[in-house]
Amino acid sequence: SAVISQKPSRDICQRGTSLTIQCQVDSQVTMMFWYRQQPGQSLTLIATANQGSEATYESGFVIDKFPISRPNLTFSTLTVSNMSPEDSSIYLCSVHGPSYEQYFGPGTRLTVT
Amino acid sequence: AQTVTQSQPEMSVQEAETVTLSCTYDTSENNYYLFWYKQPPSRQMILVIRQEAYKQQNATENRFSVNFQKAAKSFSLKISDSQLGDTAMYFCAFMKNTGNQFYFGTGTSLTVIP
Repeated sequence: SAVISQKPSRDICQRGTSLTIQCQVDSQVTMMFWYRQQPGQSLTLIATANQGSEATYESGFVIDKFPISRPNLTFSTLTVSNMSPEDSSIYLCSVHGPSYEQYFGPGTRLTVT
Repeated sequence: AQTVTQSQPEMSVQEAETVTLSCTYDTSENNYYLFWYKQPPSRQMILVIRQEAYKQQNATENRFSVNFQKAAKSFSLKISDSQLGDTAMYFCAFMKNTGNQFYFGTGTSLTVIP
């Protein structure tokens, strides 16, 4: 299984600021996925990040709000821009395993005040 | 569109007993994958078990097994000999064979009572 790390593990940010979350994988992967898990809720896919191309965003998520970088096959960043309290969530990155399962990072708990 | 439904928001079980978590899904696909994930309070999502839709045999991983009923679009998880460490949120997930996106259910919060 892939080992995934995320930084920061948690943060408290002020309204109107931006936070960049880093995701590092211990092996090269084609696709990386970013999810949001609002308090007490299930996971919602934000976007899929492929190396060398622009990320593909799901309905309800836009690049201006959640810009994503994918500079190489082991790393990706998600930025939460112009934050509001509604952005308070856990943000998780994931990658596919060899049998279509997904492996998840430990998550970043974001609180916006 | 694919939907995944977990109708039990919360469940509890006595330690060493058996519990079954239910999951139903809706899809027009014939080939797909189903998963159960566990999310303890520490929030790391951990894969519990996986089932390929083309396999009739139910998947088993130690104390965890599934009852996969393709015609009924049902995918329940049975946990035998429940342990305190099984206390967690459990998510059922679906993925099409032709896609990459996971569709998650709303989760079942399981508490194992000593």
